[in-house]
Amino acid sequence: DTEVTQTPKHLVMGMTNKKSLKCEQHMGHRAMYWYKQKAKKPPELMFVYSYEKLSINESVPSRFSPECPNSSLLNLHLHALQPEDSALYLCASSQVGQGARRGYTFGSGTRLTVV
Amino acid sequence: SQELEQSPQSLIVQEGKNLTINCTSSKTLYGLYWYKQKYGEGLIFLMMLQKGGEEKSHEKITAKLDEKKQQSSLHITASQPSHAGIYLCGMTGGTSYGKLTFGQGTILTVHP
Repeated sequence: DTEVTQTPKHLVMGMTNKKSLKCEQHMGHRAMYWYKQKAKKPPELMFVYSYEKLSINESVPSRFSPECPNSSLLNLHLHALQPEDSALYLCASSQVGQGARRGYTFGSGTRLTVV
Repeated sequence: SQELEQSPQSLIVQEGKNLTINCTSSKTLYGLYWYKQKYGEGLIFLMMLQKGGEEKSHEKITAKLDEKKQQSSLHITASQPSHAGIYLCGMTGGTSYGKLTFGQGTILTVHP
């Protein structure tokens, strides 16, 4: 299994809603990532988990709350989002250390619209 | 300012033509990644270059790394409509994993 699976593919939520994005991989990767991509822009890193521990937080607002319950799963909990948070949210995984040279594997993303 | 500069920003070619996309870093390169993205979809890993002078190929796509110039080039031979998409170069810092940052991307259109 060489895939990163993200659900849902599309999500529309109101500014008062609470929702979660899910990401799953079964490649044995021990590093997992959340990226945010606005239209016509490159992906921007939000969070990095290494061995299920948060290792990088790129000063992301607290309305985004990541969680890594085990080595295969990564969640992004959303609460009180703003319309400008509408974007494509990408999950990625990689091996740690020298194994990362095999590349970061990305999921197909969740298209989020905040209304 | 952008750590990775890609050129050109967009490219329109006729099917069968060769093309080159460049990626220049303002910082020391420890690893240079090339990805392809269809609009609104995930990123597809093409290849990763680590050593100066390294050259890798994936089907009709070849990438080279010039460590001294802190630059990489991606060359497509005999382009096809299936090559169309957004090409992104990415780099990591001094660690072997972690913050993968991207250039602004090159939009490639291939006319049949």
